Amino acid sequence: EAGVVQSPRYKIIEKKQPVAFWCNPISGHNTLYWYLQNLGQGPELLIRYENEEAVDDSQLPKDRFSAERLKGVDSTLKIQPAELGDSAVYLCASSPAGAVAREQFFGPGTRLTVL
Amino acid sequence: KQEVTQIPAALSVPEGENLVLNCSFTDSAIYNLQWFRQDPGKGLTSLLLIQSSQREQTSGRLNASLDKSSGRSTLYIAASQPGDSATYLCAVAGGGNKLTFGTGTQLKVEL
Repeated sequence: EAGVVQSPRYKIIEKKQPVAFWCNPISGHNTLYWYLQNLGQGPELLIRYENEEAVDDSQLPKDRFSAERLKGVDSTLKIQPAELGDSAVYLCASSPAGAVAREQFFGPGTRLTVL
Repeated sequence: KQEVTQIPAALSVPEGENLVLNCSFTDSAIYNLQWFRQDPGKGLTSLLLIQSSQREQTSGRLNASLDKSSGRSTLYIAASQPGDSATYLCAVAGGGNKLTFGTGTQLKVEL
């Protein structure tokens, strides 16, 4: 079974440029999460999708960040414009439907460097 | 607001040693607790998940315990190997299956 797929793995951009990250969850997983991980820190949730609906985006900086999950499968996270402080690893995770607390499976992440 | 603390922040041990990593959390109203491993430049690999009603889980040389009332979990690694070198992250699941992570313990197992 394929795991969570993310692309690109690495991205280097100049500040004020836009950038987008793509995630394909494990087949059949209806819940998708985007996390931000700063160096030396644990991941922090940005947004959670149940199918195509964003049910928790309280920690997503909506002035510059946006996300979508069309058709309830893969998802795209966008930053426009990027700032120096956005340099971090962006992780995508998915979990199956069912009980309240479900195991989350993470992708390899996209490492963003903003110059 | 849930806060998760991991001690120690870094640990270096000789190969073969048994070791314990600690995790504490401030809000005992959790659904489960997960231990993850993260290798440099990589994503997170789930090691063990303990449901809130459970006391421990075991997988191979790994054993994780959970004391929800005191807000503590430990990850025990038996007979450590150089391949165990990585950062170990503890995370607790609250409402909406939202995970709150600790900052991790960076483990180095030396030959």
